[in-house]
Amino acid sequence: TQLLEQSPQFLSIQEGENLTVYCNSSSVFSSLQWYRQEPGEGPVLLVTVVTGGEVKKLKRLTFQFGDARKDSSLHITAAQPGDTGLYLCAGVTAAGNKLTFGGGTRVLVKP
Amino acid sequence: DTGVSQDPRHKITKRGQNVTFRCDPISEHNRLYWYRQTLGQGPEFLTYFQNEAQLEKSRLLSDRFSAERPKGSFSTLEIQRTEQGDSAMYLCASSFYTDTQYFGPGTRLTVL
Repeated sequence: TQLLEQSPQFLSIQEGENLTVYCNSSSVFSSLQWYRQEPGEGPVLLVTVVTGGEVKKLKRLTFQFGDARKDSSLHITAAQPGDTGLYLCAGVTAAGNKLTFGGGTRVLVKP
Repeated sequence: DTGVSQDPRHKITKRGQNVTFRCDPISEHNRLYWYRQTLGQGPEFLTYFQNEAQLEKSRLLSDRFSAERPKGSFSTLEIQRTEQGDSAMYLCASSFYTDTQYFGPGTRLTVL
């Protein structure tokens, strides 16, 4: 069974601070996706990383895929209250037939 | 096309009753997935279809669960004889083969 572990489970910070969320696995994934989910809604895709060592930036969000394609991180610079939500990482197997999700990191950015 | 839609958005039922959820995928997508998400957890894979064929089912999908996609378009997920442990958010996603999966808003089920 391929498992993804996210840390921390919960993060509460003040507006303007930086934060990093980690996603780790003992398994190799062909790609890894990051989603953000609001309460009562489905996950919304933020980014897909495919190549080991890849770094992608989305405004104030920076995503990195580990060299061995087993881990990933999400870094938010100068967090804003609108960044509040549940951040989920999901690994895609080589077969590409399903997503394996981490447990999620709940981020609260206080004004 | 506005994305994946699910109906109903919320369902409250009594233990032992049957419930059915519907998912309409993005029109050009040939794959449709069902996931279940319990409070405070990430989604867990239940099953997926490619066109009308159900290609994989998780061990989480007990005999009380059945999913169909008869014409390769919309899908239904039925839970028979619901139990309190079935209370969760049921998420549907669609994709074109192994491309990115796009999720619907989910159906929140509460079993009393």
